[in-house]
Amino acid sequence: DAGVIQSPRHEVTEMGQEVTLRCKPISGHNSLFWYRQTMMRGLELLIYFNNNVPIDDSGMPEDRFSAKMPNASFSTLKIQPSEPRDSAVYFCASRGQGAGYEQYFGPGTRLTVT
Amino acid sequence: GDSVTQMEGPVTLSEEAFLTINCTYTATGYPSLFWYVQYPGEGLQLLLKATKADDKGSNKGFEATYRKETTSFHLEKGSVQVSDSAVYFCALSEAGTALIFGKGTTLSVSS
Repeated sequence: DAGVIQSPRHEVTEMGQEVTLRCKPISGHNSLFWYRQTMMRGLELLIYFNNNVPIDDSGMPEDRFSAKMPNASFSTLKIQPSEPRDSAVYFCASRGQGAGYEQYFGPGTRLTVT
Repeated sequence: GDSVTQMEGPVTLSEEAFLTINCTYTATGYPSLFWYVQYPGEGLQLLLKATKADDKGSNKGFEATYRKETTSFHLEKGSVQVSDSAVYFCALSEAGTALIFGKGTTLSVSS
């Protein structure tokens, strides 16, 4: 199994530009999560989907952030316009059904906004 | 709401020392409990889990026991190695909701 795949691994952009992060969950998993990790705030849940439907987006910082999951094998997190304070590592994770509820994380996208 | 509290780091140990990282939780129901590990520059990896009271999760020499009476899930290892240097996160999940993480504890092991 390839695990959770994220792209790009690194992104450097200028303030005001649009940024799109991509995630491919593990095949057969029905839940997908987006997290943000910073030194100051640690790991924060941004949004999660169940069967492609957004269930909880209360962690999305503001309207500049949006996430979509058009099908079971793909999700995007978009920031428009980007700001320096968005600089962080963004992780995608997926989870299958059943007991335990463990999530499997991708390698993350390190975003730097200058 | 639910929350996880873990000991502040960094924890600095010599190789072969005993490790304990404390974790306590607050939950309204009966959560599953997890320890994740993050090596430098990588994503989080599941280290071990426990789904009900008195369960013991174990992996790679690490152990943690789900203690409902003390709402704790402390991570232990009898003899740490330099390769165990990483950030360790305690987490919980109730009824299939998203994971709630502690702030992480950095472990540094020297030879």
